[in-house]
Amino acid sequence: DIQMTQSPSTLSASVGDRVTITCRASQSISSWLAWYQQKPGKAPKLLIYKASSLESGVPSRFRGSGSGTEFTLTISSLQPDDFATYYCQQYNSFSRTFGQGTKVEIK
Amino acid sequence: EVQLVESGGGLVQPGGSLRLSCAASGFTFSSYWMSWVRQTPGTGLEWVATIRQDGSANYYLDSVKGRFTISRDNAKNSLYLQMNSLRAEDTAIYFCASGGNTAFDFWGQGTLVTVSS
Repeated sequence: DIQMTQSPSTLSASVGDRVTITCRASQSISSWLAWYQQKPGKAPKLLIYKASSLESGVPSRFRGSGSGTEFTLTISSLQPDDFATYYCQQYNSFSRTFGQGTKVEIK
Repeated sequence: EVQLVESGGGLVQPGGSLRLSCAASGFTFSSYWMSWVRQTPGTGLEWVATIRQDGSANYYLDSVKGRFTISRDNAKNSLYLQMNSLRAEDTAIYFCASGGNTAFDFWGQGTLVTVSS
């Protein structure tokens, strides 16, 4: 199975900060990567697919980049609604695998 | 509005069975691959199974192969997960999600499965 490793596990930031989360795959997954946002007690929500394509309705402050084995999710200016846990997920191979998550906390 | 509503979760003893259902609305269900994904505090998010639009192909997490069966009824806009020989490690919130051949586009709110004696 392809292992997905996110860093950091927790991130403390303030409203207005630029935030970057990294996701590394154990082998090349081309651009077959998605990013999700999850809030407590809720289902994950798709933000980014194919590494850099913004899902409809997602604010443009979210940006995904990368290919191969290294990927990043950047939030250009953190908003109060963005405090949540973020997961990357590869869909290069069956079985699909997720990163362990990055919790974005209020500083 | 897209809606996915899971049901069928509950408490079951090890070795027991449970059938989860997912009712879909707001999109053309028969045109979408569909999946089950589970979540536990310890293991995070874990893909469980995916089924093609017409049910002609299924894919499973290795640890559930031979125990879980994913199926669908396009006439009823419904997705199912039959879970047999349940183990403690299957305890999780189970989410129904559209997609699986690509990203998981939409998710239900989940149903809790607890395997314990």
